[in-house]
Amino acid sequence: KQEVTQIPAALSVPEGENLVLNCSFTDSAIYNLQWFRQDPGKGLTSLLLIQSSQREQTSGRLNASLDKSSGRSTLYIAASQPGDSATYLCAVNGGGSQGNLIFGKGTKLSVKP
Amino acid sequence: SAVISQKPSRDICQRGTSLTIQCQVDSQVTMMFWYRQQPGQSLTLIATANQGSEATYESGFVIDKFPISRPNLTFSTLTVSNMSPEDSSIYLCSIRTGRYSEAFFGQGTRLTVV
Repeated sequence: KQEVTQIPAALSVPEGENLVLNCSFTDSAIYNLQWFRQDPGKGLTSLLLIQSSQREQTSGRLNASLDKSSGRSTLYIAASQPGDSATYLCAVNGGGSQGNLIFGKGTKLSVKP
Repeated sequence: SAVISQKPSRDICQRGTSLTIQCQVDSQVTMMFWYRQQPGQSLTLIATANQGSEATYESGFVIDKFPISRPNLTFSTLTVSNMSPEDSSIYLCSIRTGRYSEAFFGQGTRLTVV
């Protein structure tokens, strides 16, 4: 059974710092991995989708990497801003009849001005 | 990406009552999903609602408790029936165009049962 773990559970950094969020999964047989952002009490905003054949994806200040064989992904945020404060979730698509997503519990990021 | 509208955004309900949550998409999509996010937890899939077929429920979720409708390719509803305080959660609808495509989410419905 696929399990997704995100470490740390919470992270507080000063504005301007570069940071890395981690996501690990137990079954390397995935089709893709997606990173989301969730603001308190709200829905999820898709940040990046990495297909299993890809090593990394970039969008603005965000860079996500994927090492399928070791069951790891990282989300790198450059020059963090207070507006980046949110919970970041990763989810893996392990296939199946519907391509169900398995989510981690998230990393709650706080960027201090 | 498609715009997904969920209603209501939040509600406070009495135990024993039912609430129907609506999910409207501004384009036609085949795959629609309903998730639950309990306080402090991650997302758990309730069911997959593909148009033209019965909803497929995940282990631990049953149709009598969470009936789903999917009348067309742009709309779905999830009903939370006979609510108890344990049903207090954020409920989210999600869409994908294909099994391995990018997932998009609505803004969620924050439900509190008292």
